Amino acid sequence: DTAVSQTPKYLVTQMGNDKSIKCEQNLGHDTMYWYKQDSKKFLKIMFSYNNKELIINETVPNRFSPKSPDKAHLNLHINSLELGDSAVYFCASQRADNSPLHFGNGTRLTVT
Amino acid sequence: EDQVTQSPEALRLQEGESSSLNCSYTVSGLRGLFWYRQDPGKGPEFLFTLYSAGEEKEKERLKATLTKKESFLHITAPKPEDSATYLCAVQARDQAGTALIFGKGTTLSVSS
Repeated sequence: DTAVSQTPKYLVTQMGNDKSIKCEQNLGHDTMYWYKQDSKKFLKIMFSYNNKELIINETVPNRFSPKSPDKAHLNLHINSLELGDSAVYFCASQRADNSPLHFGNGTRLTVT
Repeated sequence: EDQVTQSPEALRLQEGESSSLNCSYTVSGLRGLFWYRQDPGKGPEFLFTLYSAGEEKEKERLKATLTKKESFLHITAPKPEDSATYLCAVQARDQAGTALIFGKGTTLSVSS
């Protein structure tokens, strides 16, 4: 049983397109995150949701819009994709404040 | 600004050759320090949480320690299967929400 699952695993698309990445967790956690990992493996927080409410919105272009239909799901929609959006995007969930994050296996986005 | 610095960036060891990875941090108030392991094409996998200076945690060949300025991940008699990128992350007192700030990681290669 996969605890945090993301789809798709790979996403190749052209500049200007709109795409979505889906994330689901079956751990019963209240908090979910999106992180971006660049080519140098650096993980940077993008968004955080707690029980469907946006908690953290780092300096991310407004082309990125997270949506949480319920506390088990956090999706990421990206409009007008740019070359610089190419990266691996990780979803994570957390049981409680100051407890470890549990990560999915990532979505590798390539914009051509 | 809260910051996490890991060194070295890369480390090559022979099987059985013990060593240590360093994670130094600058935060206004540390709430928790986390170690993760990341294998290629996978999401970070949780290893340890340390909450206060002097605390130590062990798991198989790995031992994590914490001081007021840094943490070490000691690897005793490593095996090739210990090869991975090791990530350090902190949760700071003045942080909005509960997101973790990550270092850039140390990529460990263990050869037989």
